[in-house]
Amino acid sequence: AQSVTQLDSQVPVFEEAPVELRCNYSSSVSVYLFWYVQYPNQGLQLLLKYLSGSTLVKGINGFEAEFNKSQTSFHLRKPSVHISDTAEYFCAVTHTGGGNKLTFGTGTQLKVEL
Amino acid sequence: DAGITQSPRHKVTETGTPVTLRCHQTENHRYMYWYRQDPGHGLRLIHYSYGVKDTDKGEVSDGYSVSRSKTEDFLLTLESATSSQTSVYFCAVQGAAEAFFGQGTRLTVV
Repeated sequence: AQSVTQLDSQVPVFEEAPVELRCNYSSSVSVYLFWYVQYPNQGLQLLLKYLSGSTLVKGINGFEAEFNKSQTSFHLRKPSVHISDTAEYFCAVTHTGGGNKLTFGTGTQLKVEL
Repeated sequence: DAGITQSPRHKVTETGTPVTLRCHQTENHRYMYWYRQDPGHGLRLIHYSYGVKDTDKGEVSDGYSVSRSKTEDFLLTLESATSSQTSVYFCAVQGAAEAFFGQGTRLTVV
């Protein structure tokens, strides 16, 4: 079985400041990792994904994440946030050969303030 | 959005009534999923399908059934709705390297 932990349920940050949203996972097999963003009253949109290769993954809207196998982490970062980044962010994991079923974390609400 | 349409988008129903939610896709994806989203729980998998008439349970399948008679349609049925099934329901399909989600159905059971 696999699991995902997002320790921060809410992260307030001022506009133009950097932000890091934390994600840790647990799995006994190789995994694929994802970050999704959900804007109010909308579905989920993929920000970025790690499948293999370089551990630093760049996504849309200036976000990036680093896969750290030894620490079983996949933290999301952005060097300078904008008001429009206010949303809920979900980390998700699936293991290869598992029917691609995603296991999600509980989400982190990012609130960007002026 | 990978051509995913969920219907209805909003529904209010009474406890004990049956409810069916529909997910329709236009891009012939093999895998389809139903998740529910609740505060503090993220998204949890209810049921999924890996082909026509091939379905399996997820982690929160009690009280739900699904059917997939055509590749493009995946139906989620609440046999007898309960207040604990008040939630936002998302359908998803599996693309080559990522899942694509519908816009969600907000279901309220009163």
